[in-house]
Amino acid sequence: NAGVTQTPKFQVLKTGQSMTLQCAQDMNHEYMSWYRQDPGMGLRLIHYSVGAGITDQGEVPNGYNVSRSTTEDFPLRLLSAAPSQTSVYFCASSREYSNQPQHFGDGTRLSIL
Amino acid sequence: KNEVEQSPQNLTAQEGEFITINCSYSVGISALHWLQQHPGGGIVSLFMLSSGKKKHGRLIATINIQEKHSSLHITASHPRDSAVYICAVDEKGTYKYIFGTGTRLKVLA
Repeated sequence: NAGVTQTPKFQVLKTGQSMTLQCAQDMNHEYMSWYRQDPGMGLRLIHYSVGAGITDQGEVPNGYNVSRSTTEDFPLRLLSAAPSQTSVYFCASSREYSNQPQHFGDGTRLSIL
Repeated sequence: KNEVEQSPQNLTAQEGEFITINCSYSVGISALHWLQQHPGGGIVSLFMLSSGKKKHGRLIATINIQEKHSSLHITASHPRDSAVYICAVDEKGTYKYIFGTGTRLKVLA
């Protein structure tokens, strides 16, 4: 099993550009989530999904969209990049939400100029 | 006030020392997780606890549900233990994990 695969690992964007961060898992996990990690702050939840076709907002959803058309994939879209979205983004998955260990991707380091 | 708080924020130890990192939370939980993040950035799950104590090698994690407190202990610390240790909780009644800000540990040889 590859686990949780995130692409790309690094990306530089200009303000106003859009892009999609990819996340895929091969463990048939129902729960998937996106986080951003900023200096001095804990991981903050952007969006999550409890299964294919079901998504919901986390703590910091503004400026981001998600979809979950398959169990395996959970892409994160930046609609119009802003410098405040410069961060490290992590995707994670678990068999279900509660009482399950989370598996994290390696992260995407995103800079918005 | 953060719902999950860790202490200390930073910790420097000499090789061989016994280390304790603390986590307190203010919400109802189903489980508490201890995670490790190495300088390269990857995050791995160390423990998941809903009661009592777990041990894996030199690492021990305990939780007191009544006091809403957990500790992570490292015995005979080694420079390779240098990392950020993160506490996270499954908040009951939601589908949202809440994370502490992490404890940065440096173990000197």
